Amino acid sequence: DSGVTQTPKHLITATGQRVTLRCSPRSGDLSVYWYQQSLDQGLQFLIQYYNGEERAKGNILERFSAQQFPDLHSELNLSSLELGDSALYFCASSVARDRVWSTEAFFGQGTRLTVV
Amino acid sequence: GNSVTQMEGPVTLSEEAFLTINCTYTATGYPSLFWYVQYPGEGLQLLLKATKADDKGSNKGFEATYRKETTSFHLEKGSVQVSDSAVYFCALSDAGGTSYGKLTFGQGTILTVHP
Repeated sequence: DSGVTQTPKHLITATGQRVTLRCSPRSGDLSVYWYQQSLDQGLQFLIQYYNGEERAKGNILERFSAQQFPDLHSELNLSSLELGDSALYFCASSVARDRVWSTEAFFGQGTRLTVV
Repeated sequence: GNSVTQMEGPVTLSEEAFLTINCTYTATGYPSLFWYVQYPGEGLQLLLKATKADDKGSNKGFEATYRKETTSFHLEKGSVQVSDSAVYFCALSDAGGTSYGKLTFGQGTILTVHP
């Protein structure tokens, strides 16, 4: 058990809909990262939050957004869903802080999103 | 930008065979290097890491050495088991700029070990 909790584990929804994925980081970790794993794109970094603030953005679509709350849990919002958004979405957390980049990240079990 | 390239798979081995999965990287600065493993139906688990040149990471019989001169971090195991069947990802942690520890992954290598 990595200590990172993601809910729900599975989600099936229709095209055009909006969903919210939730992540609770390990206790004490301030950084939260979201990754997308798909068959054609592999594992891609989407976005990172540190202590409530957005710090880095990767290949995240405009239809997607995220936030990190004061209790440090994070949510990834996916809207106007398309078939191609079907993927496994991972959340990871780490103790990485300013000027300390090289700590490893701990991953949740992922949320498998299926858009039909 | 940063990138990680893994050997193309899948890799199929018999139990007790020697395993090598090649990984090379391109990065600015001095990244940390990682191997993650994903067992069927599960999330990513850190297998081993190395934070500077010539460091050797090791865990559960797996080893990888950070080679700055060849920009490589190849994963090896002397004798694989059926339970090692999984997907293996090489990754680097961005050590500079405005990215705070985000990971850049290789495409993953599927390993299947037969009894």
